[in-house]
Amino acid sequence: GQNIDQPTEMTATEGAIVQINCTYQTSGFNGLFWYQQHAGEAPTFLSYNVLDGLEEKGRFSSFLSRSKGYSYLLLKELQMKDSASYLCAVPNDYKLSFGAGTTVTVRA
Amino acid sequence: DAGITQSPRYKITETGRQVTLMCHQTWSHSYMFWYRQDLGHGLRLIYYSAAADITDKGEVPDGYVVSRSKTENFPLTLESATRSQTSVYFCASSESLAGVGDTQYFGPGTRLTVL
Repeated sequence: GQNIDQPTEMTATEGAIVQINCTYQTSGFNGLFWYQQHAGEAPTFLSYNVLDGLEEKGRFSSFLSRSKGYSYLLLKELQMKDSASYLCAVPNDYKLSFGAGTTVTVRA
Repeated sequence: DAGITQSPRYKITETGRQVTLMCHQTWSHSYMFWYRQDLGHGLRLIYYSAAADITDKGEVPDGYVVSRSKTENFPLTLESATRSQTSVYFCASSESLAGVGDTQYFGPGTRLTVL
């Protein structure tokens, strides 16, 4: 099975950078997803990493280290609209196992 | 409308009643999923389906029943609702396997309260 850990909450200031860590233990690795979920809304896809290294998409970047069972999501130039929960998820065949999510609060 | 929809969006019911949550997708995705989301637990998989007439249990299937007679529909039934089933329910679909990097697309959710 999968064991996925991420911090419960993080707070940062508008314009700053925040790094959300995710550690996982899995019997077979097939990549790692990050989703964003605003309060009261559905999760939406942010990124998928299957190889080691950093992938950048505008203000958001995602990093993966398969040997360490570790990933992080980096949010740069934070905006108020980035206040949301961020979920990491690990595939198991066609299923996804999710972490409990990290709630990020951006303050002015 | 295109995409994935759920109905009802909000539902209040009483303990012991049967409730069916509907999910409909217009992409003809093969795979469909039902999750529940509770504070402190994140998203937990209830049931999933790889194709019409193929379903299987997820992490927390007890008290739920699913069917998939058509590719586009995947209803979730609570046979006899309990207060512990008060939750937000999300339906999702994907074209292929998460294991090859295919993301799941989520419906807007159904907020269910069991009194």
